[in-house]
Amino acid sequence: QQQVKQSPQSLIVQKGGISIINCAYENTAFDYFPWYQQFPGKGPALLIAIRPDVSEKKEGRFTISFNKSAKQFSLHIMDSQPGDSATYFCAATARTGNQFYFGTGTSLTVIP
Amino acid sequence: KAGVTQTPRYLIKTRGQQVTLSCSPISGHRSVSWYQQTPGQGLQFLFEYFSETQRNKGNFPGRFSGRQFSNSRSEMNVSTLELGDSALYLCASRIDLGTEAFFGQGTRLTVV
Repeated sequence: QQQVKQSPQSLIVQKGGISIINCAYENTAFDYFPWYQQFPGKGPALLIAIRPDVSEKKEGRFTISFNKSAKQFSLHIMDSQPGDSATYFCAATARTGNQFYFGTGTSLTVIP
Repeated sequence: KAGVTQTPRYLIKTRGQQVTLSCSPISGHRSVSWYQQTPGQGLQFLFEYFSETQRNKGNFPGRFSGRQFSNSRSEMNVSTLELGDSALYLCASRIDLGTEAFFGQGTRLTVV
């Protein structure tokens, strides 16, 4: 059973456009939601994370929107750049949980 | 501050052999988790160690085992390797539950 569902599987965006990746979860015990960026041959790198006490968090061009009632959260990449081309994973965990539950990943391609 | 270090980066093993992978967490981090990443299954949780104790284990056969040393370094072992064990094995380090997790570069294991 997939604890965190991520969509779309792949995304192609023009340079300068907005990339949007969505995730949904079921377990209401989850209270920490990070996003990871992974380049080929590398490990996932923590990009940005949010806790459910806020509805939005912004760091540079990256924004997480969080909807607690809908149990959904999304990553917005503003002014997308070719260097943003990577696979993005959402994840969720509980404060007392030992493991992260990951989405299946979104392969983002930003076309120059 | 040094990141999470995993060694070796690449391994090729023959079916039936065993393998040991190593992970050195970020200084001060006492929690080490291991994940298996494959194209078909995504990131799957193997186990988590804290202060030399395994606190949680994922749904993997007993051929997969691990341990953690007093300096928080961790090793995972896979015995009687199968072709399906070919994957990127990732180690994540964090201070404790409820905190950010940082991944190493991973060890790419190929079983032939």
